[in-house]
Amino acid sequence: GAVVSQHPSWVICKSGTSVKIECRSLDFQATTMFWYRQFPKQSLMLMATSNEGSKATYEQGVEKDKFLINHASLTLSTLTVTSAHPEDSSFYICSARDPDSRGYTFGSGTRLTVV
Amino acid sequence: AQSVTQLDSHVSVSEGTPVLLRCNYSSSYSPSLFWYVQHPNKGLQLLLKYTSAATLVKGINGFEAEFKKSETSFHLTKPSAHMSDAAEYFCVVSEGSGGYNKLIFGAGTRLAVHP
Repeated sequence: GAVVSQHPSWVICKSGTSVKIECRSLDFQATTMFWYRQFPKQSLMLMATSNEGSKATYEQGVEKDKFLINHASLTLSTLTVTSAHPEDSSFYICSARDPDSRGYTFGSGTRLTVV
Repeated sequence: AQSVTQLDSHVSVSEGTPVLLRCNYSSSYSPSLFWYVQHPNKGLQLLLKYTSAATLVKGINGFEAEFKKSETSFHLTKPSAHMSDAAEYFCVVSEGSGGYNKLIFGAGTRLAVHP
């Protein structure tokens, strides 16, 4: 099935710095990607929908200026956490529609820790 | 509005015994339903999906789920648990059968398997 490669798998950064997370669709084109956030022992919450060549659609309550999403090509979407703070520490996961299974394939996730 | 309720936050079984993870959904339209599994600090893996075809859906690793419209349920079962099945399981609903629809996640059920 379709594979989404997500990097880095974990990152530790200092408060006030920015962190970029990449998601690449391998062997298929993903015109749309989804970005989720997962707090410890909780479910996934959709943050935004990333559309190739256009602006991302953010869910209510998600700060657009803090979580910058870029989807410049059909195989790459990035999420940049700007001016990170400890409360941004979380597990971030991307997802794309699997063209073969008609399901959704997920990246392996990124554990962000802001100190 | 669509929603997903996973009735048990934790389920504990002995190895070799049956597994039942319960899920009820609410949807105004014909839903697509999924079960995903997540191992610690990992992404999500699709177990199975229902998209208006057969109501009994067989997935990977011996799991299956039955879509019951009258009960608005999509419970996940496995005849015999294995130690490697210990993980977090998410029931997910997506409205409609086409396009890039948002996924709504249940709160998750943590499955523990004891020797």
